[in-house]
Amino acid sequence: DTAVSQTPKYLVTQMGNDKSIKCEQNLGHDTMYWYKQDSKKFLKIMFSYNNKELIINETVPNRFSPKSPDKAHLNLHINSLELGDSAVYFCASSPGQDFKDTQYFGPGTRLTVL
Amino acid sequence: DQQVKQNSPSLSVQEGRISILNCDYTNSMFDYFLWYKKYPAEGPTFLISISSIKDKNEDGRFTVFLNKSAKHLSLHIVPSQPGDSAVYFCAARSYNTDKLIFGTGTRLQVFP
Repeated sequence: DTAVSQTPKYLVTQMGNDKSIKCEQNLGHDTMYWYKQDSKKFLKIMFSYNNKELIINETVPNRFSPKSPDKAHLNLHINSLELGDSAVYFCASSPGQDFKDTQYFGPGTRLTVL
Repeated sequence: DQQVKQNSPSLSVQEGRISILNCDYTNSMFDYFLWYKKYPAEGPTFLISISSIKDKNEDGRFTVFLNKSAKHLSLHIVPSQPGDSAVYFCAARSYNTDKLIFGTGTRLQVFP
């Protein structure tokens, strides 16, 4: 059983399109995150949600909108995709909000914007 | 502003020998450090952590050392095994912002 799953695994799209990435965790965790790993391999947090509430919103363009329908799901919708959005996006979850808690990562979604 | 640095992008070690992966940081507000391991096409998985009140934490073949005065930590793997071949990320938590900052990773290859 996959603990943190993401779909799709690969996403290739044209500039200007809108796309969504879905994330689900079956660990019963309260907190979920979205990270972006860019071409320089930096892994940076974008958002975190605790029990469906937004906790962290880094300086991410408002074209990115996370949605948490329940605490097991955190989806990421991206409007008007740009070339610079090409990256690997990782979803993660943890039992609590403390960043000392071990985070469990999904396999990543490689987004390529053409 | 790269607060967590892994200056060696890659490391190659023979099976059975010790692997030492290094990480430097600049922010004195970091109070907790973690190492994550990542295989290709998978997400990072937690490996080991250390609090800033300690200078060493050991878990089986993995030991993390923290030198606060030098703002340096290292991960030792001994003996190294081919299955340890992966990218290792160092991460640090800042207690004032409660955020996790990752380094760019070091690719470890353990050859027979």
